[in-house]
Amino acid sequence: NAGVTQTPKFQVLKTGQSMTLQCAQDMNHNSMYWYRQDPGMGLRLIYYSASEGTTDKGEVPNGYNVSRLNKREFSLRLESAAPSQTSVYFCASRTMVDTQYFGPGTRLTVL
Amino acid sequence: AQSVTQLGSHVSVSEGALVLLRCNYSSSVPPYLFWYVQYPNQGLQLLLKYTSAATLVKGINGFEAEFKKSETSFHLTKPSAHMSDAAEYFCAVSGNTGGFKTIFGAGTRLFVKA
Repeated sequence: NAGVTQTPKFQVLKTGQSMTLQCAQDMNHNSMYWYRQDPGMGLRLIYYSASEGTTDKGEVPNGYNVSRLNKREFSLRLESAAPSQTSVYFCASRTMVDTQYFGPGTRLTVL
Repeated sequence: AQSVTQLGSHVSVSEGALVLLRCNYSSSVPPYLFWYVQYPNQGLQLLLKYTSAATLVKGINGFEAEFKKSETSFHLTKPSAHMSDAAEYFCAVSGNTGGFKTIFGAGTRLFVKA
């Protein structure tokens, strides 16, 4: 069991560039999440997918899009990166209201 | 609506001393409550969770937390700190009525002095 995997681990972008963060889980969980972590602000939910085929906005969705490709995979896309999107991004999965399992994170810097 | 407040962004204790990290929550439905730990350059991992069974919850690495409904608190404790406990700790709340979101506190960084 790999759990939750994320790629890439690190990324540097220039303002205006686009990129997709990939996330996959092998625990057969229905729900998947994308968070960003910034100093002093904890984790803020960007988007989530309660089940395959559905996605919903979280607390800070502006500037991001997501795709739930299948039950295993949930990707996060930045169409036109901005310096304010410099952050650490975590993907997580869980069943219903139980424990969330987190990936190792992607450190993104936007210059 | 749900929210979580962690009191103190930084806590420093000596090795062997009591660890107390404070968390208060707000929830309009009976809550599920969690403590997660994050070591440097890693993702979060679950320490313990309260899901309406026993109010005193024991977790990994000697941590425990007590759910106090009257105080809307879920403080995390450990009798004796180890150097390896140095990390950031997050309190979190979700509803137990089938909702899908979890709300995280801002985090408390624990420093352990030798």
